Amino acid sequence: AQKITQTQPGMFVQEKEAVTLDCTYDTSDPSYGLFWYKQPSSGEMIFLIYQGSYDQQNATEGRYSLNFQKARKSANLVISASQLGDSAMYFCAMREGLQGAQKLVFGQGTRLTINP
Amino acid sequence: DTGVSQDPRHKITKRGQNVTFRCDPISEHNRLYWYRQTLGQGPEFLTYFQNEAQLEKSRLLSDRFSAERPKGSFSTLEIQRTEQGDSAMYLCASSLVSTSLFFGSGTQLSVL
Repeated sequence: AQKITQTQPGMFVQEKEAVTLDCTYDTSDPSYGLFWYKQPSSGEMIFLIYQGSYDQQNATEGRYSLNFQKARKSANLVISASQLGDSAMYFCAMREGLQGAQKLVFGQGTRLTINP
Repeated sequence: DTGVSQDPRHKITKRGQNVTFRCDPISEHNRLYWYRQTLGQGPEFLTYFQNEAQLEKSRLLSDRFSAERPKGSFSTLEIQRTEQGDSAMYLCASSLVSTSLFFGSGTQLSVL
């Protein structure tokens, strides 16, 4: 069965520093997708970045990049030049298969706090 | 507003009562999903629709739960005979076949 593990319950970072949020996954399906979502206190899950299992290069979206290490089954999120507005819960998620329904399996999340 | 809209934002009910939540997806999205999130956990998949057809239901969705999407647009999620264990955030999301999920802000249910 697929599983996502986020081992950092909370992270505290100074504004403008880079931060890495850890995510490891487990699946027996060779085709899968990995996602990161941000959940501010308002509750909405905001899509940040996606990496497919066959993608050769690490995904990047603005200040977000995904450090994809397939052999180690890790998909860490890197946020560069952190801002106060980055304070939120961050969830790593996975779907098995690259087609069909997006039945995502989520990790338990990491609460990121950016200090001024 | 062109995002996913959920109503109500908060619902407090007594154990044994029925509740119904509504979700309005992004208008051109043909897929609609319901997830549930309990305190301190990530969301868990409940069910999804493609247009008006409910194509999959999780084992988490007991017989007391029913979801509909009658015209392939908005969806409702009803919980009958609520229990305290139903207290959670119920999140709706929509997508096209090839896009990532776009979530609403959720309905927070508290069962007393």
